[in-house]
Amino acid sequence: AQSVTQPDIHITVSEGASLELRCNYSYGATPYLFWYVQSPGQGLQLLLKYFSGDTLVQGIKGFEAEFKRSQSSFNLRKPSVHWSDAAEYFCAVGGFNDMRFGAGTRLTVKP
Amino acid sequence: GAGVSQSPSNKVTEKGKDVELRCDPISGHTALYWYRQSLGQGLEFLIYFQGNSAPDKSGLPSDRFSAERTGGSVSTLTIQRTQQEDSAVYLCASSLGRDRGSHEQFFGPGTRLTVL
Repeated sequence: AQSVTQPDIHITVSEGASLELRCNYSYGATPYLFWYVQSPGQGLQLLLKYFSGDTLVQGIKGFEAEFKRSQSSFNLRKPSVHWSDAAEYFCAVGGFNDMRFGAGTRLTVKP
Repeated sequence: GAGVSQSPSNKVTEKGKDVELRCDPISGHTALYWYRQSLGQGLEFLIYFQGNSAPDKSGLPSDRFSAERTGGSVSTLTIQRTQQEDSAVYLCASSLGRDRGSHEQFFGPGTRLTVL
């Protein structure tokens, strides 16, 4: 069965610092991979997705993620974090009827 | 509207009562999903609809939970005889679906259910 692990429950970074959020997955076939962000009081918004092709994908708000099949990982990165990036981030893997989400990583941004 | 809408946004009920949560997907989206998000937890998959049929009901936590979708559009999630552990945010999402080859899910704002 597919599963998603986000090892870091909570991360704190300083504004302007770089960010990497980890995501590991288990899936029986080539996965479809997603990162979503949930800001306080807001719905989930898609940051980026990977279906096939180039393993480095660009998303909105300056985020990118790299699919590494050998490591079963799809880590999210941003070179310079802004205070408005403080939110909960969810990694997801799956297809039409078997999407599974990680438990989320809460990002705090220090001034 | 342009996005997925859910109603009510908040629902407070007494233990043992039944509740109905509604989801209006994006027009033209054939796939619809329900998730549950408990405090500090990730999203728990509940059920998936492709059109009006639900090929996967495996995520429903108990037989107190049921869902239906009519006209390939609006969906209702019903929880009977609510328990305190049912308190959570219930999220609905829709996507273009299998026929259109798109997995991207668009989420509604959720319904926060509190069972006293």
